[in-house]
Amino acid sequence: GQNIDQPTEMTATEGAIVQINCTYQTSGFNGLFWYQQHAGEAPTFLSYNVLDGLEEKGRFSSFLSRSKGYSYLLLKELQMKDSASYLCEAAGNKLTFGGGTRVLVKP
Amino acid sequence: EPEVTQTPSHQVTQMGQEVILRCVPISNHLYFYWYRQILGQKVEFLVSFYNNEISEKSEIFDDQFSVERPDGSNFTLKIRSTKLEDSAMYFCASSEALGLRSGDTQYFGPGTRLTVL
Repeated sequence: GQNIDQPTEMTATEGAIVQINCTYQTSGFNGLFWYQQHAGEAPTFLSYNVLDGLEEKGRFSSFLSRSKGYSYLLLKELQMKDSASYLCEAAGNKLTFGGGTRVLVKP
Repeated sequence: EPEVTQTPSHQVTQMGQEVILRCVPISNHLYFYWYRQILGQKVEFLVSFYNNEISEKSEIFDDQFSVERPDGSNFTLKIRSTKLEDSAMYFCASSEALGLRSGDTQYFGPGTRLTVL
């Protein structure tokens, strides 16, 4: 079966760094996606990893370790607008989302 | 900037009724998807569609669901006989050419909130 785990909620301070972890167990693996979802809105694509290592895109970076079934999304220089849910999706034999991590950025 | 559009934004229906949710994917995209998100729960994949046929579907996508691309621009999700538990936000998405499993970026529409009474 497929299982994706993420923390439910995290709180961080404006300007700080937050790391959101995602562990996954899948049958087959074709990559891992991260999305941002503001309340009441659609998810928006942030990153895709299929090879081990770190992918950096401005303030956001995503890391993957296939052997450990582990990924993280790193948000740097947090801004108030980064308060949202962050969704991890694994593309195994099935496409499966984690439950999302709600990040609250405080001033 | 091109975007995925969905209509209606809200749909209220009686249990047992048929509903059709409509989506217009980004015009040069070849892969189309439907997802649902029950309030307060995680996003769930329903189905992907490529080259006028279903390429992948989840166990949620049973016989009461169907998808169609009736013309060159629309992509629809039909629920034949709605149940209370079908109440959710339904998101359509599209991607360009390679599909999700090759790392294509999905672009999501704003969603249709379906309420079954």
